[in-house]
Amino acid sequence: QVQLKETGPGLVQPTQTLSITCTVSGFSLTSYYMQWVRQTPGKGLEWMGFIRSGGSTEYNSEFKSRLSISRDTSKNQVFLKMNSLKTEDTGVYYCARDQGYYSGAFDYWGQGVMVTVSS
Amino acid sequence: AIVLNQSPSSIIASQGEKVTITCRASSSISSNYLHWYQQKPGAFPKLVIYSTSYRASGVPSRFSGSGSGTSYSFTISRVEAEDVATYYCQQGSSNPYTFGAGTKLELK
Repeated sequence: QVQLKETGPGLVQPTQTLSITCTVSGFSLTSYYMQWVRQTPGKGLEWMGFIRSGGSTEYNSEFKSRLSISRDTSKNQVFLKMNSLKTEDTGVYYCARDQGYYSGAFDYWGQGVMVTVSS
Repeated sequence: AIVLNQSPSSIIASQGEKVTITCRASSSISSNYLHWYQQKPGAFPKLVIYSTSYRASGVPSRFSGSGSGTSYSFTISRVEAEDVATYYCQQGSSNPYTFGAGTKLELK
């Protein structure tokens, strides 16, 4: 069955870099786009970006200058890296699978990882 | 960015009651790209309706969606206790994909 699981640090200091890994099973990363979404107290649900099945990426310009999404298909893993963290980046970070059919709907989600940005 | 305005922001309903949530987009969206999610406290969002009116796998028939252009709606025909959650609309039409602010459904 399809499963996604995020792993990452619970606490990150301001100005530091956040790294989260999404490990998937039950499908191939070369067949689906993978999305990153976060949920913060200040802005609610925010789409961050995606990596296409072919490996190219697209980002929300809100994050573009400090966000990077990559993957390792041999390990079934997708990675999010975001630098220059601020306290406003505190929230839950989710990876999600794009359903396909060019709809931009997210049909499977990880349980999320809570990230607190604080010194 | 396409802004999605959801209303109401909260609903208090009785079991068995019909509830409808509206999502209005700041620009026209093809119906293929408008989706609805259910998020229960402490959980991830779950896809309920995709492409305006198609129920996701395993979703009960009491959930439905409709709309076109800039106006979309989500309906629960007869609310059950397990439907208590926050519901969000989302557009996958253009970058940046955006979500509505959510509608919190509570039981009377």
